[in-house]
Amino acid sequence: KAGVTQTPRYLIKTRGQQVTLSCSPISGHRSVSWYQQTPGQGLQFLFEYFSETQRNKGNFPGRFSGRQFSNSRSEMNVSTLELGDSALYLCASSLARGSQETQYFGPGTRLLVL
Amino acid sequence: AQSVSQHNHHVILSEAASLELGCNYSYGGTVNLFWYVQYPGQHLQLLLKYFSGDPLVKGIKGFEAEFIKSKFSFNLRKPSVQWSDTAEYFCAVNLNQGGKLIFGQGTELSVKP
Repeated sequence: KAGVTQTPRYLIKTRGQQVTLSCSPISGHRSVSWYQQTPGQGLQFLFEYFSETQRNKGNFPGRFSGRQFSNSRSEMNVSTLELGDSALYLCASSLARGSQETQYFGPGTRLLVL
Repeated sequence: AQSVSQHNHHVILSEAASLELGCNYSYGGTVNLFWYVQYPGQHLQLLLKYFSGDPLVKGIKGFEAEFIKSKFSFNLRKPSVQWSDTAEYFCAVNLNQGGKLIFGQGTELSVKP
């Protein structure tokens, strides 16, 4: 079974631009979560989607948004990019929504904002 | 705010040495606990998890962890490390908030052959 896939793998943008990242969960998985990983802040939860609805949101500004489609694929969008948005963005999927579900992580999208 | 602390940022061991990585969390309610590992160039993957029952849980590759509720700790152990255990290790907590994981800062483990 294919794992979680994320596209693109690398991205370079300039301040003020916007970016859309994509995540395809493992087949059959219905829950998708997004995390930001930086050397200074570590891994921080962005949001969680299940059945096309955002179920949980981390402490990030409104410039960070996401959505989930009926096939469980998810996208996250960052508008008006700032230098501090440079990070590895990880997507994780799980079979269902629950605190005991194992989350399977993708390889991430590395975003560099210049 | 709830948080997860991993005491060691970088641990260097020789092969066959024993390993213990500390993890403490700050939350008084029911928690679900995880250890993830990220090998160089690879995805984050689950090592082991604890929800309830026996506080000593065994995971993949000979790792185990012990949940001590009174100490709010979930330390990772391995009796004898190998060079292939070189990786970054993350402790994570789920506070019964769906899929939201709160991660520690990570511990980088370097094993010398």
